[in-house]
Amino acid sequence: GQSLEQPSEVTAVEGAIVQINCTYQTSGFYGLSWYQQHDGGAPTFLSYNALDGLEETGRFSSFLSRSDSYGYLLLQELQMKDSASYFCAVAAAGNKLTFGGGTRVLVKP
Amino acid sequence: AAGVIQSPRHLIKEKRETATLKCYPIPRHDTVYWYQQGPGQDPQFLISFYEKMQSDKGSIPDRFSAQQFSDYHSELNMSSLELGDSALYFCASSSQRGDETQYFGPGTRLLVL
Repeated sequence: GQSLEQPSEVTAVEGAIVQINCTYQTSGFYGLSWYQQHDGGAPTFLSYNALDGLEETGRFSSFLSRSDSYGYLLLQELQMKDSASYFCAVAAAGNKLTFGGGTRVLVKP
Repeated sequence: AAGVIQSPRHLIKEKRETATLKCYPIPRHDTVYWYQQGPGQDPQFLISFYEKMQSDKGSIPDRFSAQQFSDYHSELNMSSLELGDSALYFCASSSQRGDETQYFGPGTRLLVL
């Protein structure tokens, strides 16, 4: 089976940097994805890492270390609109996603 | 750009009734996934289809069934509804010929009374 661990909540101020860690245990692994979800909204794809290293997409970056079964999402120059839940998810055989419990990010002025 | 379409967006049913949720994937996407998300929970994988064939099955109750049609749209049929079935149901689509990223629809909010 699959299990993913991420912090339940993070609070930061506008302009700050937040790092959300994700550790996983899987029986099969194709890659680590990150999704953003606002309350009542749909998960929105942010990034995907299949190989070790850092992927940068604007203010958001994602990192993966397969040997450590660990990844993180880095949110830079935080804005109020970044207040949302962030999920890491593992893609396994068949490409089905198993999600972590989600990290609620609260951005304060 | 076209996104995943789900209908209805909201649905209210009584216990023991049936419900049908529809999903229209992004054009040229060949794979559809269904997820269930309870309040404060993470999305749970239910079932997926590739080229109209079931490709994987997760924690989907026997009371639920799904299929993908020739136009690639998918329907999730839910029977003998229970109070615990109240949740957000998301459909996602991807392309096996592309990067396989899953793009989620807006979801159907089902309330069982």
